[in-house]
Amino acid sequence: DQQVKQNSPSLSVQEGRISILNCDYTNSMFDYFLWYKKYPAEGPTFLISISSIKDKNEDGRFTVFLNKSAKHLSLHIVPSQPGDSAVYFCAASAYDKVIFGPGTSLSVIP
Amino acid sequence: GAGVSQSPRYKVAKRGQDVALRCDPISGHVSLFWYQQALGQGPEFLTYFQNEAQLDKSGLPSDRFFAERPEGSVSTLKIQRTQQEDSAVYLCASSRGLAQYNEQFFGPGTRLTVL
Repeated sequence: DQQVKQNSPSLSVQEGRISILNCDYTNSMFDYFLWYKKYPAEGPTFLISISSIKDKNEDGRFTVFLNKSAKHLSLHIVPSQPGDSAVYFCAASAYDKVIFGPGTSLSVIP
Repeated sequence: GAGVSQSPRYKVAKRGQDVALRCDPISGHVSLFWYQQALGQGPEFLTYFQNEAQLDKSGLPSDRFFAERPEGSVSTLKIQRTQQEDSAVYLCASSRGLAQYNEQFFGPGTRLTVL
């Protein structure tokens, strides 16, 4: 029973265009959401987060949108750069436990 | 800078062998987490410490798995009588405060292969 879902295992985007990574969750108790980025042979690194009281958070090229009624969040990267090629994990937390999605592998083509 | 370190980076064990995986969190970080990551999957929660107290071990898959953090800093994840299904990357992460509202800093992981 996956509480955090990322239904696209992979995504390819041209350099300079927008990358949109999607995430759905089932547990309405989640109140904090995070995105992590992972390169091969490294641990995940924190990218951006959003509290459930907000619907948008922006940090440079990265914006996270939260739609609580749909239990859906998305990460927008604009403009996409080749260095953004990595696996992106969506994560949700409640009661000190963080649940990760299965990840989406993003390839940004030069 | 001193990030989270894990050792060994790679471990090959024969089925039935005991293994111990070490995690050195960022100095001063209160919370420490262990995750198991299978190929093509996201990190799956195993256990959580706040200082030396193990507050949640609901993710440990069996009683063969044991974790400790006796002095509230370094932590060890021990797997007894390893099985092939234990093969995975084991990730350790630490955070300044409570997990819920703080980013976690991950180590590079230990890749365990059980033959």
